[in-house]
Amino acid sequence: DQQVKQNSPSLSVQEGRISILNCDYTNSMFDYFLWYKKYPAEGPTFLISISSIKDKNEDGRFTVFLNKSAKHLSLHIVPSQPGDSAVYFCAATRSSNTGKLIFGQGTTLQVKP
Amino acid sequence: DAMVIQNPRYQVTQFGKPVTLSCSQTLNHNVMYWYQQKSSQAPKLLFHYYDKDFNNEADTPDNFQSRRPNTSFCFLDIRSPGLGDAAMYLCATSRVFEAFFGQGTRLTVV
Repeated sequence: DQQVKQNSPSLSVQEGRISILNCDYTNSMFDYFLWYKKYPAEGPTFLISISSIKDKNEDGRFTVFLNKSAKHLSLHIVPSQPGDSAVYFCAATRSSNTGKLIFGQGTTLQVKP
Repeated sequence: DAMVIQNPRYQVTQFGKPVTLSCSQTLNHNVMYWYQQKSSQAPKLLFHYYDKDFNNEADTPDNFQSRRPNTSFCFLDIRSPGLGDAAMYLCATSRVFEAFFGQGTRLTVV
């Protein structure tokens, strides 16, 4: 049973445009959400996170939105750059659970120059 | 500077031959994790340590074991690797929620 789902395996956008990556979760006990970026042959690196007490968190070109009622979050990258091309993983955890992360399957983002 | 270091980056082992993957950290985090990631799939948590307390996921095969001799080091032992165990193995550490990952070890079983 996949508790965190990223239904789009891939996304292609033009440089300078907005990239929107989506993530859905089923476990209402999750209260902290993270996005990771992964380049080939490297481990995931932390990008941005959001607590369930917020509905938006922004860090430079990256913004994460959380819709608790829909159990949905999204990552917006504006403007997209070719260096953003990577696999993006959504992850969720319960704050009582020592940071044990449950990951989605990932979305491969390609930003075309 | 690398904060979570996994060795080796690439490991080839024979079917059924025990193999050990290692992970070390310089962050002094009390939690360490091992994840398995197969192609185009989500990283799957195998087990984690909270300090010395070992926590096994319910669906982690018995073939997989782990040791954490001290805060800095954690090992993943695969007692009898099968072809289905070929994957990327990711070690991570955390203090609270955000996990820091190593570069991973790509395991090939021949």
